[in-house]
Amino acid sequence: KNQVEQSPQSLIILEGKNCTLQCNYTVSPFSNLRWYKQDTGRGPVSLTIMTFSENTKSNGRYTATLDADTKQSSLHITASQLSDSASYICVVSARAGNNRKLIWGLGTSLAVNP
Amino acid sequence: NAGVTQTPKFRVLKTGQSMTLLCAQDMNHEYMYWYRQDPGMGLRLIHYSVGEGTTAKGEVPDGYNVSRLKKQNFLLGLESAAPSQTSVYFCAIRSGWNTGELFFGEGSRLTVL
Repeated sequence: KNQVEQSPQSLIILEGKNCTLQCNYTVSPFSNLRWYKQDTGRGPVSLTIMTFSENTKSNGRYTATLDADTKQSSLHITASQLSDSASYICVVSARAGNNRKLIWGLGTSLAVNP
Repeated sequence: NAGVTQTPKFRVLKTGQSMTLLCAQDMNHEYMYWYRQDPGMGLRLIHYSVGEGTTAKGEVPDGYNVSRLKKQNFLLGLESAAPSQTSVYFCAIRSGWNTGELFFGEGSRLTVL
C-alpha cells in the first residue's frame, strides 16, 4: 500500500533555531517527492519538487534531501523565523501507467516561538 | 496563491441542500483539481480535469459532480449535501502532468448541518 509518513507530528522551536522534518514513504513506482508549506487557513504552497536523481534541493532557508534507496526525505529549516510557523506536508508522486497519483502525508505542524 | 480564486470562501448548508463551488484560474493551465482536507487525513482528490470539456474521478468522487465548460473554470457541485461533506475544499491547477508545480486556491470551508 502506498503510504507517506511524517515525523514529528508537531514541533515547537525558538526563533532562530534550526529544525529538521522527516518523511518516510512506501510508494512504488516512485516518480517525484514534493514538500509543501501550508499556513493556517491557506492553501498549500510548493517548496520543492525532487526527482529520483536529486539528492538535495534548496529554496532559500529550506533544504530538502532525498534518499531514494531508503525511501526517506527530510526538510531542514535554517535560522527559523516566526513566519515559518505552518504545516509542512510531504507528497510523493507514484506512477500508475500513463497517470500519476499523489500520496499526501498528514504534515508536521511547526510552531516557531519568539 | 495568486492565479487561483475559489468562491465562496465559507458556506453553511443544511442536509439535502445543493451548492456549487467555483474555481477560476488566470494562468491558462490545462490541469485542474478539487481536493478536500479533513483533520487527521491527507488531502484527498475528489475530481480532476485535464482540459476543457473533460473531467475524471479521483479518490473520493461520490456525492460530488464537476464540470469544465470553460478552460479557466472548474466547478464542484454537491447535489444533496451530507454532514460527511463538511470539509475544507481546495482547488489546484498544474501546468504539467508529472513534475509541474501545483498551485492551490485559498480554500472553501463548507459546513453541512
